[in-house]
Amino acid sequence: DADVTQTPRNRITKTGKRIMLECSQTKGHDRMYWYRQDPGLGLRLIYYSFDVKDINKGEISDGYSVSRQAQAKFSLSLESAIPNQTALYFCATSPGDSNSNQPQHFGDGTRLSIL
Amino acid sequence: AQSVAQPEDQVNVAEGNPLTVKCTYSVSGNPYLFWYVQYPNRGLQFLLKYITGDNLVKGSYGFEAEFNKSQTSFHLKKPSALVSDSALYFCAVRDIATGGFKTIFGAGTRLFVKA
Repeated sequence: DADVTQTPRNRITKTGKRIMLECSQTKGHDRMYWYRQDPGLGLRLIYYSFDVKDINKGEISDGYSVSRQAQAKFSLSLESAIPNQTALYFCATSPGDSNSNQPQHFGDGTRLSIL
Repeated sequence: AQSVAQPEDQVNVAEGNPLTVKCTYSVSGNPYLFWYVQYPNRGLQFLLKYITGDNLVKGSYGFEAEFNKSQTSFHLKKPSALVSDSALYFCAVRDIATGGFKTIFGAGTRLFVKA
């Protein structure tokens, strides 16, 4: 079983719809992250969470919200989807040490298309 | 501000030849440096990291990378490329002077290994 699981893997929806992407992990990591990947732009951080009570905006948080329901679960919502939010979305985790030199662990992504 | 540059969108190499994927970075303090690989329809997978010590670090699948502080570079290398190495490669930097909790990714370099 995957350590970081994202659902759904693919989603096509219409402009204006509310969408939730879910992420769960079995690694026991405190930190969780949401990124979006666009061709030629690499990964950009949307939100990150250091624990259940700590949520922080990343560089491109406008139009998105998150919820950390438990240590193992971190969901990303698009309240009213727009076409330029079409992208590949990744959830990632890492250990909670504040000066951690450990790598992040990624899910396999959600491909989101907004028409 | 932190930044990462991967100057080549694509690198082409023949199977059996050495490969290099370039990465340069800019941080205010000492960096943690990472390389990740992404195969189609999969999330990023950790290859190797530089934290401190020996400038040449070895990682998964025969890859290695050389940290050069004066040139602020962290190029990924492999002595003999395989067709199965064809994938998208990301360099990433984490600035420990800012708490080390944000990772900045390069735009990615697509490696194509021809048989």
